[in-house]
Amino acid sequence: QTVVTQEPSFSVSPGGTVTLTCGLSSGSVSTSYYPSWYQQTPGQAPRTLIYSTNTRSSGVPDRFSGSILGNKAALTITGAQADDESDYYCMLYMGSDIWVFGGGTKLTVL
Amino acid sequence: QVQLVQSGAEMKKPGASVKVSCKASGYTFISYYMHWVRQAPGQGLEWMGIINPSGGSTNYAQKFQGRVSMTRDTSTTTVYMELSSLRSEDTAVYYCARGDWIHYYMDLWGKGTTVTVSS
Repeated sequence: QTVVTQEPSFSVSPGGTVTLTCGLSSGSVSTSYYPSWYQQTPGQAPRTLIYSTNTRSSGVPDRFSGSILGNKAALTITGAQADDESDYYCMLYMGSDIWVFGGGTKLTVL
Repeated sequence: QVQLVQSGAEMKKPGASVKVSCKASGYTFISYYMHWVRQAPGQGLEWMGIINPSGGSTNYAQKFQGRVSMTRDTSTTTVYMELSSLRSEDTAVYYCARGDWIHYYMDLWGKGTTVTVSS
């Protein structure tokens, strides 16, 4: 069974840049997996940030960007702000109407 | 207003079933899939399955096959997720999320329904 991997935690200084990644336990992530990214703060529903690797959802600031870096999907936050402190989840489309979330990354801004 | 409104919190005993509803409004109901995602306390998001409101076809994560059923009522633009043989590990917040079938992502989320399984 394929597992989608994410860093469990990451920290960034206010104003800094951080890149979170999303990989596969076996194989490489490509655009064919249509990687998407979601932000979630405690007690709230997830918010969609990025879809189709690098397209920002409506209303998402341009400090959030998505890409493929090497064999992983990546979410980069440029100029991190205090309210970016959240959990971030990637999701991959595995084909045949199956989707899988990564385990999530807890981002601390300090 | 484009939104997904979910039913209220549920408390169930082990072995029982729960049926959570998700009413869609503000868009063409049959033009988007609907996903169900759950989140156990302190844990990550877990994809459960998907329903196509147009024809009612479904696909479930292997983990839930045999225990989950997703249905829809086009007359009320509502989708349902029923989970049976509940156990304590099913205690979670259950979300419905609208699925974009072109870019394979979730573009609109319900606020979630808390299901607690306890004897």
